[in-house]
Amino acid sequence: EMQLVESGGGLVQPGGSLRLSCVASGFTFSSYAMHWFRQAPGKGLEYVSLISHNGESTYSADSVKGRFTISRDNSKNTLYLQMDSLSTEDMAVYYCAREIYLSGRWFDPWGQGTLVTVSS
Amino acid sequence: DIQMTQSPSSLSASVGDRVTITCRASQSISSYLNWYQQKPGKAPNLLIYTASTLQSGVPSRFSGSGSGTDFTLTISSLQPEDFATYYCQQSYIIPCTFGQGTRLEIK
Repeated sequence: EMQLVESGGGLVQPGGSLRLSCVASGFTFSSYAMHWFRQAPGKGLEYVSLISHNGESTYSADSVKGRFTISRDNSKNTLYLQMDSLSTEDMAVYYCAREIYLSGRWFDPWGQGTLVTVSS
Repeated sequence: DIQMTQSPSSLSASVGDRVTITCRASQSISSYLNWYQQKPGKAPNLLIYTASTLQSGVPSRFSGSGSGTDFTLTISSLQPEDFATYYCQQSYIIPCTFGQGTRLEIK
């Protein structure tokens, strides 16, 4: 069974840092681009960041550019999101997802999410 | 970024009803359109990709159509487990943006 399991969320003060992890199983992790999405409490889904299958290419949304860094360790089947200079606007559930790119691009599976709370 | 607009934002319906949700892109996205279902406290679940292809394991009462800028998700006969929030997502250009969601509630 394909599975993604996020961890690393928690309570952090404004200006603080946190590193999220996403461990993959049930598929060849190194063959797929991976993405992070987030969802603020009671709000819709927002795109955060992507990394290519080999880690050579990355992209981050303008809202997190320069503060968040996506990376991966294919030997550990793990995706990361380093989040620095956190603000209350970053408070959300963060999801990782696998990209499938064939005749189009879609995302499946998704992890269960990890909650990031930014508060003093 | 491509803007995605869903309508309606919320919808009340009864078990057995036929329901249609629409999604409009701010520019042509070909068929790079996905639909997700999300239940409270859970991750999004892929229903349909490339506008009309049903994800494996998704009931056939779900269907999608459209291309270019206008898309629809139809549920032919609502079941109790279908009451949830539905999101469209364009995957034509990064960032892959979402519609604001349609909350489907029991009448």
